[in-house]
Amino acid sequence: DGGITQSPKYLFRKEGQNVTLSCEQNLNHDAMYWYRQDPGQGLRLIYYSQIVNDFQKGDIAEGYSVSREKKESFPLTVTSAQKNPTAFYLCASSGRQGGRTQHFGDGTRLSIL
Amino acid sequence: RKEVEQDPGPFNVPEGATVAFNCTYSNSASQSFFWYRQDCRKEPKLLMSVYSSGNEDGRFTAQLNRASQYISLLIRDSKLSDSATYLCVVNKEAGFGNEKLTFGTGTRLTIIP
Repeated sequence: DGGITQSPKYLFRKEGQNVTLSCEQNLNHDAMYWYRQDPGQGLRLIYYSQIVNDFQKGDIAEGYSVSREKKESFPLTVTSAQKNPTAFYLCASSGRQGGRTQHFGDGTRLSIL
Repeated sequence: RKEVEQDPGPFNVPEGATVAFNCTYSNSASQSFFWYRQDCRKEPKLLMSVYSSGNEDGRFTAQLNRASQYISLLIRDSKLSDSATYLCVVNKEAGFGNEKLTFGTGTRLTIIP
């Protein structure tokens, strides 16, 4: 089945540690996105990528980094510079085939130990 | 002023009732509009797009008023399974690959047996 797979589902990070969240899609979508969701707040865009080897900062990119070496993959690294990383992280993708609407993975919950 | 504003609720309504949600957006140049549904601790899923002429999908009706920058969602004959948070989503930019979506904080709905 086509879809977006995020892993892990739950992740714990120690202070000062970088962690990488995985996002893979087999929908043949060109565009991919990373969002963060905090309680009582809407989703906020961290980074997005329209094509391979290209990505742009979203509204809250500080403390995060991404890469887009393959069309199917858009990993997000939460660096130690992100002082408040505890949140629900959602990856999405969109493409012409899907009418350009964004479809989401089932998310990764990141917590600080 | 937030770019997308919704009443956070909660809305607690009896099964079978009709419930309406409203949403306003601040950017008059916004291009496209959506309602997403998010169940507790799950990813958002597209419920329906919103068209200028209004559109209906079963028990759900969405309407857009560009002049007032206002979007609505009406749910008729509500079911227990309709309990969720409903996110109003606006696309600020036009063109494929530029789907920078702005999410409202969501309206929480609970259907009571």
